[in-house]
Amino acid sequence: GAVVSQHPSRVICKSGTSVKIECRSLDFQATTMFWYRQFPKQSLMLMATSNEGSKATYEQGVEKDKFLINHASLTLSTLTVTSAHPEDSSFYICSARGAGGLTDTQYFGPGTRLTVL
Amino acid sequence: RKEVEQDPGPFNVPEGATVAFNCTYSNSASQSFFWYRQDCRKEPKLLMSVYSSGNEDGRFTAQLNRASQYISLLIRDSKLSDSATYLCVVKGGSASKIIFGSGTRLSIRP
Repeated sequence: GAVVSQHPSRVICKSGTSVKIECRSLDFQATTMFWYRQFPKQSLMLMATSNEGSKATYEQGVEKDKFLINHASLTLSTLTVTSAHPEDSSFYICSARGAGGLTDTQYFGPGTRLTVL
Repeated sequence: RKEVEQDPGPFNVPEGATVAFNCTYSNSASQSFFWYRQDCRKEPKLLMSVYSSGNEDGRFTAQLNRASQYISLLIRDSKLSDSATYLCVVKGGSASKIIFGSGTRLSIRP
């Protein structure tokens, strides 16, 4: 099946620093990538949808200036958490949706656990 | 009302039992339906798609009831390894909106 990777898998940083998370589709071209956040014992919450070559669409309540998304190619999207604070600590998961026969299914990356001290 | 609702559980059943989950959705224009499985501190993984005619994959059976706007997942002969959170996923009427339920936690005991 389709494979999506995320890097890093875990990051611990000081409050005020910025953290970049990469999401790559390894064996297919992802026309659309999604970024989710999941707090403990809660469901995935969609943060934003990014289409290659265009601006991301953010969900209500998600600050676009704080969570910068770049989808520069059909296989790579990045999420940068700017000036991270302890309340940004969460599990960040990306998913990718392909073209053709893969348009209906989302394939998830393994997630990035962010801890902000 | 949430767009996709699931009983959060937890369901605690003995090994070998049959267990069923339901998930209701509010948008009658929803087009695609899926069940995902998520293990603790891991990403969700696609378990199966749900088709109008119902579909079965080994011990797992998924069904869709469009009239009542719910989907179901049945697990027969449950194994310890089935312990996980099961997420109901509905693709909405728009081209790209995919909505996750909050998940149902299942725990299989020996």
